[in-house]
Amino acid sequence: GNSVTQMEGPVTLSEEAFLTINCTYTATGYPSLFWYVQYPGEGLQLLLKATKADDKGSNKGFEATYRKETTSFHLEKGSVQVSDSAVYFCASLGDYKLSFGAGTTVTVRA
Amino acid sequence: DVKVTQSSRYLVKRTGEKVFLECVQDMDHENMFWYRQDPGLGLRLIYFSYDVKMKEKGDIPEGYSVSREKKERFSLILESASTNQTSMYLCASSPRGVLADTQYFGPGTRLTVL
Repeated sequence: GNSVTQMEGPVTLSEEAFLTINCTYTATGYPSLFWYVQYPGEGLQLLLKATKADDKGSNKGFEATYRKETTSFHLEKGSVQVSDSAVYFCASLGDYKLSFGAGTTVTVRA
Repeated sequence: DVKVTQSSRYLVKRTGEKVFLECVQDMDHENMFWYRQDPGLGLRLIYFSYDVKMKEKGDIPEGYSVSREKKERFSLILESASTNQTSMYLCASSPRGVLADTQYFGPGTRLTVL
């Protein structure tokens, strides 16, 4: 089945710093890939997704590119804000089921 | 906006009690899911349902059962709660078809079993 491995946290950054969270996947075929975000006290919400190789998902200044060669879907943001403090989950889809990574806690300091 | 609601944000139960967690979605989605979220383990799928009265086991179904009598409602049941079921429980839904890849999550129920 599908599985996802993402960079362990926690990650602490200063405002306006560059953020990268690594994510790699294993799957048969080419699954759709996702980044979900969970803000404090809330459920998960979709941040961005990519459905095929070389697709780039983007939202709220975050980007991730589906790299078939390296089986990766790393999340990046060029200049983080305090409001980006959250837990980020990478996920892949197979047979209607999402397989999630362990989550990376990101804290942005003012 | 899609809305997925869960019956409780926080719940405290005793070992051996029967526990019901309720989830309701208002977007007429066919698919519904129950996950548990634990630190360092991410989300793990307990059960899912792709239609009324239909259910499929996820990755960790042991100790749980589910019920889907109506399309909008998906219940998770702990027949006899145990301390190792203390966790955050998240419900999600998604439509069928080309949009099935996006799941919408409820706010979660933090269950403590004493």
